[in-house]
Amino acid sequence: EAAVTQSPRNKVAVTGGKVTLSCNQTNNHNNMYWYRQDTGHGLRLIHYSYGAGSTEKGDIPDGYKASRPSQENFSLILELATPSQTSVYFCASGDGGVGQDTQYFGPGTRLLVL
Amino acid sequence: QQKVQQSPESLTVSEGAMASLNCTFSDGTSNNFRWYRQHSAKGLEVLVSIFSDGEKEEGRFTAHLNRANLHVSLHIREPQPSDSAVYLCAVTSSGYNKLTFGKGTVLLVSP
Repeated sequence: EAAVTQSPRNKVAVTGGKVTLSCNQTNNHNNMYWYRQDTGHGLRLIHYSYGAGSTEKGDIPDGYKASRPSQENFSLILELATPSQTSVYFCASGDGGVGQDTQYFGPGTRLLVL
Repeated sequence: QQKVQQSPESLTVSEGAMASLNCTFSDGTSNNFRWYRQHSAKGLEVLVSIFSDGEKEEGRFTAHLNRANLHVSLHIREPQPSDSAVYLCAVTSSGYNKLTFGKGTVLLVSP
């Protein structure tokens, strides 16, 4: 069974609304990551976490918050969604050194902000 | 800042012929290289990881690393139509805490 799951898989939101994307992992990995994938940009890191209670900014954190309430769960929060945040979002988990680890990805969440 | 570039952007090969994909990176201190595969906007699947110069084989997938030339490649032996996907190169450097991904190569394997 899948070790990294994401919900929802598809989401339509309105501009200015709040969106929460959820990620759950059963790998018991310390590190978790949120990326977005856009044509022409590839995968870009938004936020990551070393463990429960920690969140760190990635390369493109503006407009996003993250929350890691437990080892298993890592959420990405868009407080005021904008059309530029329309994208496919991927969550990943990994062990070992942050960024040095093999990362295992979820299936992605397709977000459309109207 | 690390730059990772992949070539070609797209590649079509016949079933059973070798497929070769290239990746160049800009940071000579890079020490951690992975190739991922992504089928049709689904999640990424790690294929092979390589950490030192030379070759690393995982089944039909072989990575070659030459850090002096800032180059890592992926060779797929006897590709099948089910190998049609986007292949992503990911690189990280010693002392840094994140992967940098290339934009990918779209591979099409024709029967």
